[in-house]
Amino acid sequence: DTAVSQTPKYLVTQMGNDKSIKCEQNLGHDTMYWYKQDSKKFLKIMFSYNNKELIINETVPNRFSPKSPDKAHLNLHINSLELGDSAVYFCASSQDAGTQYFGPGTRLLVL
Amino acid sequence: AQSVTQPDIHITVSEGASLELRCNYSYGATPYLFWYVQSPGQGLQLLLKYFSGDTLVQGIKGFEAEFKRSQSSFNLRKPSVHWSDAAEYFCAVGVRNNNDMRFGAGTRLTVKP
Repeated sequence: DTAVSQTPKYLVTQMGNDKSIKCEQNLGHDTMYWYKQDSKKFLKIMFSYNNKELIINETVPNRFSPKSPDKAHLNLHINSLELGDSAVYFCASSQDAGTQYFGPGTRLLVL
Repeated sequence: AQSVTQPDIHITVSEGASLELRCNYSYGATPYLFWYVQSPGQGLQLLLKYFSGDTLVQGIKGFEAEFKRSQSSFNLRKPSVHWSDAAEYFCAVGVRNNNDMRFGAGTRLTVKP
């Protein structure tokens, strides 16, 4: 009965590959987010989706594309992976502007 | 847009000692304020939050934080630290009617035996 789940937990891949990370929340929240945490632990918001509509799109490369098939899912697709994409990616969800609940993270390593 | 500063990158305290982690925010109105904890290799867990009302907020694991509007601060405190409190602590600020939440850079807490 995990509230916010992400798959995979670990992802090791070669430069230039395309990969997806999946996120699901069973809290009934209407907003979901993707964050990137770099090696210095700095957390930066990448995207936010409210009722399947993009409402925040920070200046991330267009190789990153969020896709929300329904309000319980927000997937992150990354094209042409680069070394600098190595990080931990966190999914989160909230109801309106309330508390955000985080998933366990996906540790991406690009070789 | 709102922003948050955590002045201390790394703090070391002895087990049983008291703890205070600093957080300052920048926002024109009353913000929503949060403290999250991240243990090594784990996700973020909410410790406590302030939306309105009593400015002294109690959280889980014996933590509390006080919202001081005059100082634009939301410092986290614990009277007696346990070894299991060693982790990274993040302060975050959100705003009403907006889902955009900003995190501080984090403070890493080390607990000495």
